[in-house]
Amino acid sequence: DAMVIQNPRYQVTQFGKPVTLSCSQTLNHNVMYWYQQKSSQAPKLLFHYYDKDFNNEADTPDNFQSRRPNTSFCFLDIRSPGLGDAAMYLCATSRESRDEKLFFGSGTQLSVL
Amino acid sequence: EDQVTQSPEALRLQEGESSSLNCSYTVSGLRGLFWYRQDPGKGPEFLFTLYSAGEEKEKERLKATLTKKESFLHITAPKPEDSATYLCAVQAENVYTGNQFYFGTGTSLTVIP
Repeated sequence: DAMVIQNPRYQVTQFGKPVTLSCSQTLNHNVMYWYQQKSSQAPKLLFHYYDKDFNNEADTPDNFQSRRPNTSFCFLDIRSPGLGDAAMYLCATSRESRDEKLFFGSGTQLSVL
Repeated sequence: EDQVTQSPEALRLQEGESSSLNCSYTVSGLRGLFWYRQDPGKGPEFLFTLYSAGEEKEKERLKATLTKKESFLHITAPKPEDSATYLCAVQAENVYTGNQFYFGTGTSLTVIP
């Protein structure tokens, strides 16, 4: 009954080698979010989509991009991963953007060698 | 600047020893305060939403309360399975980017049998 599914669970990439993380949802929610969470830190919002409208956080590095080809899927592309990009990447959804709780996936743990 | 602060960072309790976790916030245009539980290596799981000062919500051994400046998560007679990181998030109105979630860094709770 998984509702927000992230693949892969663990991803290892090399410094500078592009990597894509994926997220799918079965909730038919309008809003999808990507968060970055480093050890013992708060989740940090990278960007979110309301339907197909893309919203980029002001401090999200240009190295990070996202695609949402349809309601169910969202991708996080890291064009040239650096050592500082090693983190847990969390995908979340909500039905609407106001007053709505977030449903999180289990995350993708990214390692950069 | 909008901010969410959680304390303590870590808490160790004996099984059955009740305690409280704190989340203080300084945001304008509060829309809601959310509590999540996060197990190691997993995404956060929703617990409660509180919308106005004086509101309380309960679920099993957990009770969340809200004032105008802070929220408490009370844990009554905790069990080892309550061990997790508890995250607080505040949703606030942002005139430029819509409704934003601000997460605290969490309280890591360990309940010892």
